[in-house]
Amino acid sequence: AQKVTQAQTEISVVEKEDVTLDCVYETRDTTYYLFWYKQPPSGELVFLIRRNSFDEQNEISGRYSWNFQKSTSSFNFTITASQVVDSAVYFCALSVMYSGGGADGLTFGKGTHLIIQP
Amino acid sequence: DAEITQSPRHKITETGRQVTLACHQTWNHNNMFWYRQDLGHGLRLIHYSYGVHDTNKGEVSDGYSVSRSNTEDLPLTLESAASSQTSVYFCASSGDGTSGTGELFFGEGSRLTVL
Repeated sequence: AQKVTQAQTEISVVEKEDVTLDCVYETRDTTYYLFWYKQPPSGELVFLIRRNSFDEQNEISGRYSWNFQKSTSSFNFTITASQVVDSAVYFCALSVMYSGGGADGLTFGKGTHLIIQP
Repeated sequence: DAEITQSPRHKITETGRQVTLACHQTWNHNNMFWYRQDLGHGLRLIHYSYGVHDTNKGEVSDGYSVSRSNTEDLPLTLESAASSQTSVYFCASSGDGTSGTGELFFGEGSRLTVL
């Protein structure tokens, strides 16, 4: 069975600081997908990124960047120059593709509550 | 625009009553999912479906059922509501052909309180 661990329950930083959210995953399968979702105070879940297990290139999107390291089973998320609007709960998730094809949905971590103070 | 909608958004019920939460998507996605969100647990998968007449149990399926009679809808039924089922429920869909590894599009959530 797969598992996603977000060890940081809550992080509080001052605006403009950089912050990294950690995500460690467990799976025995070789084909899998990793995700990050954002849940702002309004409650909706917003997709941020999807990365497959064969693509270890880091990705940058504006102030957001993701570091995928298979050697440590980690998929960390960094926000550069944080802003108050970045305050939200962030979820890391894993989906495994089984050898016979198909999958069984996303397994989510428990989330990290990020607070950006002005 | 295509979307996914849940109803009701808020529901208060009593222990032992049957409750159905509706989920409707207009993307024509094959894959649909129900999750519950609880403090300290993140999102946990209840049931999912990869097409009409297909349903599968997730991590926390006890006390819940779903049926898929068409592509657009996946209603979630609590046969006999319990206080432990007080939660926020999210429906999601994805359109990828590999059944469950694609980006999920979430509804706005349904907050259920069981007294």
